Amino acid sequence: GENVEQHPSTLSVQEGDSAVIKCTYSDSASNYFPWYKQELGKRPQLIIDIRSNVGEKKDQRIAVTLNKTAKHFSLHITETQPEDSAVYFCAAPTSSGTYKYIFGTGTRLKVLA
Amino acid sequence: EPEVTQTPSHQVTQMGQEVILRCVPISNHLYFYWYRQILGQKVEFLVSFYNNEISEKSEIFDDQFSVERPDGSNFTLKIRSTKLEDSAMYFCASRPQLSSGNTIYFGEGSWLTVV
Repeated sequence: GENVEQHPSTLSVQEGDSAVIKCTYSDSASNYFPWYKQELGKRPQLIIDIRSNVGEKKDQRIAVTLNKTAKHFSLHITETQPEDSAVYFCAAPTSSGTYKYIFGTGTRLKVLA
Repeated sequence: EPEVTQTPSHQVTQMGQEVILRCVPISNHLYFYWYRQILGQKVEFLVSFYNNEISEKSEIFDDQFSVERPDGSNFTLKIRSTKLEDSAMYFCASRPQLSSGNTIYFGEGSWLTVV
């Protein structure tokens, strides 16, 4: 079945610096890759997603890149701010059945003021 | 913007008791899911539901768990004989149609504490 690995598990950056989180998936037929931000006690909130027909997508300070050959995708946050501190999860749908999401193990991002 | 709503937001129950977590998916959505997140861990798939029956379930979703859609709007997760290790946040989710490119929309979650 689909497996999603995520690194690093924790990441501390100075305010204003960039943060990069990487995920690797196993199902080569996966074609949609969302990223979620989760604050303590809250639901995962979709922040950006990418479909397999593009290699990069950007939304203000957030970007996602996809390398289908290598089966990995990355979240890039530039000019980090303290409010970016949260746990970030990547996910990939299975390519069969009900396309349920398989989540990565999460990255706890801490932006230091 | 339509949202998936869940009740209760937090429930404390005695070990061995039964709990029912309720969800109202977005109205025109057809596929429903339950996920679980133990504190500090990743979000794990439990079950998917379509056309009034279970479509897929994970190894976690054993005979202790059941789901139903009793009235065409609510989607419930029942946990029987709760154990301490059932303590977790339970998220309901829905999507409009079956496509791997569709976003799944999550509810706010129901935090279950088993004591």
